[in-house]
Order: sequence, then C-alpha cells, then structure tokens
Amino acid sequence: DVKVTQSSRYLVKRTGEKVFLECVQDMDHENMFWYRQDPGLGLRLIYFSYDVKMKEKGDIPEGYSVSREKKERFSLILESASTNQTSMYLCASRQGGINGYTFGSGTRLTVV
Amino acid sequence: AQSVTQPDIHITVSEGASLELRCNYSYGATPYLFWYVQSPGQGLQLLLKYFSGDTLVQGIKGFEAEFKRSQSSFNLRKPSVHWSDAAEYFCAVGPNNAGNMLTFGGGTRLMVKP
Repeated sequence: DVKVTQSSRYLVKRTGEKVFLECVQDMDHENMFWYRQDPGLGLRLIYFSYDVKMKEKGDIPEGYSVSREKKERFSLILESASTNQTSMYLCASRQGGINGYTFGSGTRLTVV
Repeated sequence: AQSVTQPDIHITVSEGASLELRCNYSYGATPYLFWYVQSPGQGLQLLLKYFSGDTLVQGIKGFEAEFKRSQSSFNLRKPSVHWSDAAEYFCAVGPNNAGNMLTFGGGTRLMVKP
C-alpha cells in the first residue's frame, strides 16, 4: 500500500525554537505539498515542490521554509516557531495528471 | 482563480438516513473533482474522483457523487449513513493540465445521531 509518512503525530515546541517537520513518501511521486489545517479555515497551502531541490511558495509561506534534497523526502522548517503556528500540518504527495493527493496522518504542532 | 465552496459547515443526520453534502466550484475549464474524508486526528483519505465520462461516480464506503456542469456542483451522497461515517469531508478541485495543485473547500463536519 502506498504511503506518506510524517515523522511525528504530536509535537510541543517552545516559542523561538527551530522546528523540523519531516515527510517521506514511498510512491516515487514528483510532487509534494505542505498544508496547515485550522478550524474554520480549511486547508491552506504553505509550500510545494515538483522536483528535487525545487520549491514554490503556496498561499501562506511566511515564517516557513522547506527542503527537498531527495525525491522521497520533503521537510517543513519553522525557523523561529511562534504561537500562531500552532496547527495541524498535513503533508501530501501526488504524481500529477488525473491523480489526487495521498496524505500523511498529520502532525499536530503546539507552540508554547 | 479556482475556488471551492462547501456551504454547510456542520450537518447532523440520523443513522440510517440518507446524506447529501454540497460542493460548488469555480473553475475556468473542465475540472478534476475529488472528495476526501478525514477522521478525527487523521490525514485525509480519498473517497472518489471525477475526471470525465459518466457524471455519477462511485467511491469507497458506499459513497457516490454527481458532477453537474450546469450547476458547477459535485455533491456527495450516501443512501444510508452509518455511525462510522462521522468525520469531516472535503471537496477539492484540480487543474486539468500539467499543474499539480488541488484547491480545497472549507470542509463539512458530519455528525451521526444514533
């Protein structure tokens, strides 16, 4: 079964910490995405990548960066975590064409 | 720009009753359309998708959806809801070209009464 794996289900970090959220897919997909999900706001795209070392900003990139050194891994980085980044973070991958996304189980991040 | 509207934020139905979740989209061409389901604390799982052909598509867990171009809608239906269907449901639309992103609606939270 194809899989997108997010390394942590729950994280608690302190304000100002550098935070890494890891996502790995085993489907050889070209495209990977990071979303955050907040009540009443739905899913908002932070960054996406359509190839190794390539990245594009989504709708809300401020305060975040990403890294894609290998095709299967797409990391989301919070350079200096703030309380307004407390959220559920969802990673997804997609091959493109007529295919939908495959999502990971999500990481619930709390910044205190 | 493409957009997706799910007019109902919350819906409550009785177990065994029928269900319809609404989805309206705005898109400049023939869209790819998707419905996803999210159980509490989980990621999103694909229920079904539409690209072309028959406008009534069948998905997993007994769900179906109908594409109506004239109404720009892609409503999700189930004839008889089970308690395990309680979850949040998201409609999404994607480009039909080489682009790779999907745009999601705000979601509808379904509660099932015993």
